[in-house]
Amino acid sequence: EAQVTQNPRYLITVTGKKLTVTCSQNMNHEYMSWYRQDPGLGLRQIYYSMNVEVTDKGDVPEGYKVSRKEKRNFPLILESPSPNQTSLYFCASSSMGGGRETQYFGPGTRLLVL
Amino acid sequence: AQKVTQAQTEISVVEKEDVTLDCVYETRDTTYYLFWYKQPPSGELVFLIRRNSFDEQNEISGRYSWNFQKSTSSFNFTITASQVVDSAVYFCARYNAGNMLTFGGGTRLMVKP
Repeated sequence: EAQVTQNPRYLITVTGKKLTVTCSQNMNHEYMSWYRQDPGLGLRQIYYSMNVEVTDKGDVPEGYKVSRKEKRNFPLILESPSPNQTSLYFCASSSMGGGRETQYFGPGTRLLVL
Repeated sequence: AQKVTQAQTEISVVEKEDVTLDCVYETRDTTYYLFWYKQPPSGELVFLIRRNSFDEQNEISGRYSWNFQKSTSSFNFTITASQVVDSAVYFCARYNAGNMLTFGGGTRLMVKP
């Protein structure tokens, strides 16, 4: 089954404790991205990647890091989480960027930073 | 920043009513793509439609229809004969140069039996 998976689905952590949210897709997609969803703000793009070793900032990259060492994986790293990073996070992938193909979203990761 | 605006934050209707969700976007590009996604209470994002800027034909899919008006930069979504299962948050989004997908703030639709 074609899918985007994220782990963990739920995470409670404390300020400053480094964490990684994994994202994996099995569709051989080149384009992957991370979003955060906050009430009233919709989804905002954090980082995206056009291919292996090619990443770029989205609208709200501060406090986040990403890497794309393999085509299927695109982990999101919070080196020193803060309470304002409490949010619902989505990973997405598509075969091409630029909107030419539809993005498929993972199930979401709900993060609470205390 | 070029915004996507969904002015209706919440809409409440009674089952079988028709309802239109508004979406207005800003763009300086001639080529762009527009999307609608549904987010049911379970939280996942469900793709509904993708439309490119060169195709202004309206689209109908069952009870769903979309009205793309380039002249007013709008891409509105209508649900005909709404059902309780349509209750969800609906997001409009725009993709343009720079490989960025910009979402509106979402409209929460509540359909009451």
